[in-house]
Amino acid sequence: NAGVTQTPKFQVLKTGQSMTLQCAQDMNHNSMYWYRQDPGMGLRLIYYSASEGTTDKGEVPNGYNVSRLNKREFSLRLESAAPSQTSVYFCASSERQFSGNTIYFGEGSWLTVV
Amino acid sequence: AQTVTQSQPEMSVQEAETVTLSCTYDTSESDYYLFWYKQPPSRQMILVIRQEAYKQQNATENRFSVNFQKAAKSFSLKISDSQLGDAAMYFCAYRPRNNAGNMLTFGGGTRLMVKP
Repeated sequence: NAGVTQTPKFQVLKTGQSMTLQCAQDMNHNSMYWYRQDPGMGLRLIYYSASEGTTDKGEVPNGYNVSRLNKREFSLRLESAAPSQTSVYFCASSERQFSGNTIYFGEGSWLTVV
Repeated sequence: AQTVTQSQPEMSVQEAETVTLSCTYDTSESDYYLFWYKQPPSRQMILVIRQEAYKQQNATENRFSVNFQKAAKSFSLKISDSQLGDAAMYFCAYRPRNNAGNMLTFGGGTRLMVKP
């Protein structure tokens, strides 16, 4: 009963380095999301994938790219990390769009860019 | 643009007592969903309760209930018989019914402390 699994849980990067956050869900959900959470703020949507094969920008997409590898997996890539990208990143999934269904979150990935 | 405001950065409650967390939102939509999420120290976001705007009846989940005032755009969470395990950050969130990407707009959160 894993739900949404993210890796890695912790990562320290140097400015300019690249890395990919991995996310997988085992609930057969169609929609997947990447959020970031900064101190004192709620979550902000970076990118989402409404269904396999589609991705769209959210509220704060600059500096990120995503790939919906298959129905289960949705990765987030930082091509050239910047200190402003220090944050906690959450992957999430839901059954489908345009419904009141619940969104399930992973446990978060702590990223520090120095 | 929609905004969600939680005016209480921190709240404290005695174990077994009742506490109410406030949330207000701003929207021009008439049909939407409202949520309360709990984020314990483990950081995982856990859905506590959900309210559909077209339903007048307030949602209830065991010890958790909401006071939804649509005209006032207010959505408060009441926790009855507070337990130590209720200590966490609580986030109020809003989503229009027909919204590309299932985008949730979150408030800034309220940290709830439970005193034994």
